[in-house]
Amino acid sequence: GENVEQHPSTLSVQEGDSAVIKCTYSDSASNYFPWYKQELGKRPQLIIDIRSNVGEKKDQRIAVTLNKTAKHFSLHITETQPEDSAVYFCAVGSGNTGKLIFGQGTTLQVKP
Amino acid sequence: SQTIHQWPATLVQPVGSPLSLECTVEGTSNPNLYWYRQAAGRGLQLLFYSVGIGQISSEVPQNLSASRPQDRQFILSSKKLLLSDSGFYLCAWRIRIGQAGPLHFGNGTRLTVT
Repeated sequence: GENVEQHPSTLSVQEGDSAVIKCTYSDSASNYFPWYKQELGKRPQLIIDIRSNVGEKKDQRIAVTLNKTAKHFSLHITETQPEDSAVYFCAVGSGNTGKLIFGQGTTLQVKP
Repeated sequence: SQTIHQWPATLVQPVGSPLSLECTVEGTSNPNLYWYRQAAGRGLQLLFYSVGIGQISSEVPQNLSASRPQDRQFILSSKKLLLSDSGFYLCAWRIRIGQAGPLHFGNGTRLTVT
């Protein structure tokens, strides 16, 4: 089955700096790559996603890049703010079952 | 608009007791439904998913079972809880279409087995 590896497990940056989180996957048939943000004790919420026919997608300070050949994708957050502090999960999906396989998560701390 | 409800929000149960967690979705028909578990400080593990009434797929062998008695109702059960069943249980739904897409999560149930 699909295997998703996410790095780093923790990331600490100064406010205003950029943060990058990377994920690799194993199944070349995977075609959907979302990123979720989870604040402490709350549910994961979708922040951005990308499909396999697109190499990059941007939404304000957040961007995702996909390299299908290398089977990895990354989340980029620019001009980080303290409210960006949370756990971020990448996920991989394919087919019509819609199931998503998640990475282990990255705890991002933005220091004011 | 669509909403997803999970209850209870928190639950403390003794080892060996039964479990029933319920999830319902409003505002949509024929959703795909999912149960995930999140151990403390860990990622989300897919437990079960369902693409229709009575259709359940299990992702990992475990002490739990799932049922979908109605189109928008998904239930997670156990006959006898283990300590290792503790965790944050999340129900999710998505529109049933022919390609993968975003899952929408409920607020979760925090289960502590003592």
